[in-house]
Amino acid sequence: GAVVSQHPSRVICKSGTSVKIECRSLDFQATTMFWYRQFPKKSLMLMATSNEGSKATYEQGVEKDKFLINHASLTLSTLTVTSAHPEDSSFYICSARDPSEKLFFGSGTQLSVL
Amino acid sequence: QKEVEQDPGPLSVPEGAIVSLNCTYSNSAFQYFMWYRQYSRKGPELLMYTYSSGNKEDGRFTAQVDKSSKYISLFIRDSQPSDSATYLCAMSRTFNQAGTALIFGKGTTLSVSS
Repeated sequence: GAVVSQHPSRVICKSGTSVKIECRSLDFQATTMFWYRQFPKKSLMLMATSNEGSKATYEQGVEKDKFLINHASLTLSTLTVTSAHPEDSSFYICSARDPSEKLFFGSGTQLSVL
Repeated sequence: QKEVEQDPGPLSVPEGAIVSLNCTYSNSAFQYFMWYRQYSRKGPELLMYTYSSGNKEDGRFTAQVDKSSKYISLFIRDSQPSDSATYLCAMSRTFNQAGTALIFGKGTTLSVSS
């Protein structure tokens, strides 16, 4: 199956700093990628849809200035958590559609903000 | 009523048991139905996907969709300890539009004991 690589898998940062998470489709081009957030024992919550070459579409309640998304190429989308606070600690997951339209997920990033 | 309902469990079964995982939904426009398996602190992995009603079998896994009842199931035969994970159902109205995201259930945590 298609492979989506997400990096880093775990990051610990101080409050007030910014953290960048990368999502790469390794063997296919993805015009659209999705970013999710997942709390323990909760489902995936869609944060935003990342569109190559254009602005991301954010879900209601997600601060676009806090969660910056850049989809600079057909194989890379990045999520930057700016001025991170402890309440931003969560498991972040990206996904991308392959040419057959199936959705594949990255392995996730556990963010801990101290 | 939430769009997708899934009993979070946990569900505990002995090795070799047949497991039945289910989701109900309220939006009759959903046409594409998927099951994902997620191990702890990992991204979801696509297991099965079906279009419209009917059954689909892949090895020990069988996915069923009953659109008239708005009910989908995933059956696991001869369950193994390695099947212990959280299983998420997901569905969408369309499958070939880049901006369409999936609606997920909360996930059911399965534990298979040896």
